[in-house]
Amino acid sequence: DQQVKQNSPSLSVQEGRISILNCDYTNSMFDYFLWYKKYPAEGPTFLISISSIKDKNEDGRFTVFLNKSAKHLSLHIVPSQPGDSAVYFCAASRYNFNKFYFGSGTKLNVKP
Amino acid sequence: DTAVSQTPKYLVTQMGNDKSIKCEQNLGHDTMYWYKQDSKKFLKIMFSYNNKELIINETVPNRFSPKSPDKAHLNLHINSLELGDSAVYFCASSQVPGQGVGYTFGSGTRLTVV
Repeated sequence: DQQVKQNSPSLSVQEGRISILNCDYTNSMFDYFLWYKKYPAEGPTFLISISSIKDKNEDGRFTVFLNKSAKHLSLHIVPSQPGDSAVYFCAASRYNFNKFYFGSGTKLNVKP
Repeated sequence: DTAVSQTPKYLVTQMGNDKSIKCEQNLGHDTMYWYKQDSKKFLKIMFSYNNKELIINETVPNRFSPKSPDKAHLNLHINSLELGDSAVYFCASSQVPGQGVGYTFGSGTRLTVV
């Protein structure tokens, strides 16, 4: 049973617009969340994280929002750029940061 | 200079064979991992080693055996390969568990069993 779900396998956005990627989790014990970005034939690279004591974390064009009551997090990319086209994975962990549960990814296509 | 390197990048082999995938990290991290990306694209943890000691061993067939000769290396040996073992295997490393900085992943090894 998957504890982290990304229900949108793909998303297409125009350059300059906002991209919103969503992620849901089922385990209320999760208290640390990350987003990874993956290009073809490469490993995932860490993008941004958030702990459960916060509901928002911002890093440049990337903002992650956490709604604990809904067990939902989202990644906003503003403005979207063609170089952002990649697969985005969300991941969640309990207090033991050694083990992360990953979603199945959302493929973002930013059109010029 | 690659931080986490895996070899080989591609591996095609027949059922029943034994194969190994090697992983090395030059980041000075204490913890290394093997993840499997299955056909549904989920990344699932298989093993984790902290300073050469096995700390996570998920429900993985005994045919899979990790080996960590030192904290910079974590190799994965697979015996009697089966069709269902076909997947992309990612090695990763991180700082001491608990610091929550996320993993650094290798570029993956695509294993195809025919």
